[in-house]
Amino acid sequence: EVQMLESGGGLIQPGGSLRLSCATSGFTFSSYAVSWVRQAPGKGLEWVSAISGSGGSTYYADSVKGRFTISRDNSKNTLYLQMNSLRAEDTAVYYCAKGLWVGPTGFDYWGQGTLVTVSS
Amino acid sequence: EIVMTQSPATLSVSPGERATLSCRASQSVSSNLAWYQQKPGQAPRLLIYGASTRATGIPARFSGSGSGTEFTLTISSLQSEDFAVYFCQQYNDWPRGTFGQGTKLEIK
Repeated sequence: EVQMLESGGGLIQPGGSLRLSCATSGFTFSSYAVSWVRQAPGKGLEWVSAISGSGGSTYYADSVKGRFTISRDNSKNTLYLQMNSLRAEDTAVYYCAKGLWVGPTGFDYWGQGTLVTVSS
Repeated sequence: EIVMTQSPATLSVSPGERATLSCRASQSVSSNLAWYQQKPGQAPRLLIYGASTRATGIPARFSGSGSGTEFTLTISSLQSEDFAVYFCQQYNDWPRGTFGQGTKLEIK
């Protein structure tokens, strides 16, 4: 059974940093690109970042480029998101998600999400 | 960046009736489109990928159609558990994947 479990969210002041983790199991983690998707309170879904299976390629939404860094540890089956220079508009539930297969596709498994609140 | 636009923002339909949700892409995404259902407090659930292929375990009353820039999700006979928010997502420039703003399907 595929499982994805995010952690690391919390309350942080503007300008601060936070590191999210997504521990996975039940699939060959290193074969899949994985993504972070966020959802501001009462709003829609926003794709944030993705990383290739090897970790050699990373992709970011313009809204987070230069502030967020995605990484992965395939030996631990874990995905990370380092978030720096946080802003109020980064407040959201952050989900990790995997594709249905190793190529272009939708996300078939999602974590339960971790809430990040940026406020003074 | 490919922009996805969903309509309507809210759709009121009676149980047992058909619901038709639309999604438009700002440029062609071929058939690289997915639909998701999201209920309050839950993560999104994949319904459709490849514009028209139902994901595992999705009932046959859900169907997707379209290609290029115009897409439709149809729910043939609404059940109580279908009232939720629906999002489309393009993955033509995978692994980037932009979402529409969502359609809230509510009970009439």
